[in-house]
Amino acid sequence: DAKTTQPPSMDCAEGRAANLPCNHSTISGNEYVYWYRQIHSQGPQYIIHGLKNNETNEMASLIITEDRKSSTLILPHATLRDTAVYYCIVRVAHYGGSQGNLIFGKGTKLSVKP
Amino acid sequence: DGGITQSPKYLFRKEGQNVTLSCEQNLNHDAMYWYRQDPGQGLRLIYYSQIVNDFQKGDIAEGYSVSREKKESFPLTVTSAQKNPTAFYLCASSPSGGWNTEAFFGQGTRLTVV
Repeated sequence: DAKTTQPPSMDCAEGRAANLPCNHSTISGNEYVYWYRQIHSQGPQYIIHGLKNNETNEMASLIITEDRKSSTLILPHATLRDTAVYYCIVRVAHYGGSQGNLIFGKGTKLSVKP
Repeated sequence: DGGITQSPKYLFRKEGQNVTLSCEQNLNHDAMYWYRQDPGQGLRLIYYSQIVNDFQKGDIAEGYSVSREKKESFPLTVTSAQKNPTAFYLCASSPSGGWNTEAFFGQGTRLTVV
């Protein structure tokens, strides 16, 4: 089972920041938080991941709370092309076995509106 | 270009027939995965392979089989024993089983069994 909880859907106005929350209250010390998104009928696309510190790349920022029990993915200036299902996943950083597998929940369906 | 390729994009089969879905990657990744996605649902893990000539069952392996004879290839066979084979199938690869790395996904094969 997925170890994360996300709202099923969110709306965001085009050009505004989209803030997508994720709860992972049972996260372990050696688990990373990963974010993927899936545009309709395509394969999931990697966005960002982090362990403890906040992370930023060209797509998004990831804010992880100090206790690591929740995180927020921020798309700073959402466009219509950002409309997708966003998945928050915790993944063990350990080589080998099944622990490194990505376990997907149902994600958050983000709709960016003009 | 480096990437992961699934073929075909759409596949139709008659009930009772086995069908094999192709997944090829030229990213030199050790680990490969097969997921199944049903409408409105997240991805569920079917099989995974951490290394050539080795693979493990995921959460929903019944009715499926795989092989990993080459590092680049991880074909999935949907057998007649799979009760509800119609679904969107996604293949992924990552540099290793569970390190601090992201997984890359193919564009999927939509299988329809009639």
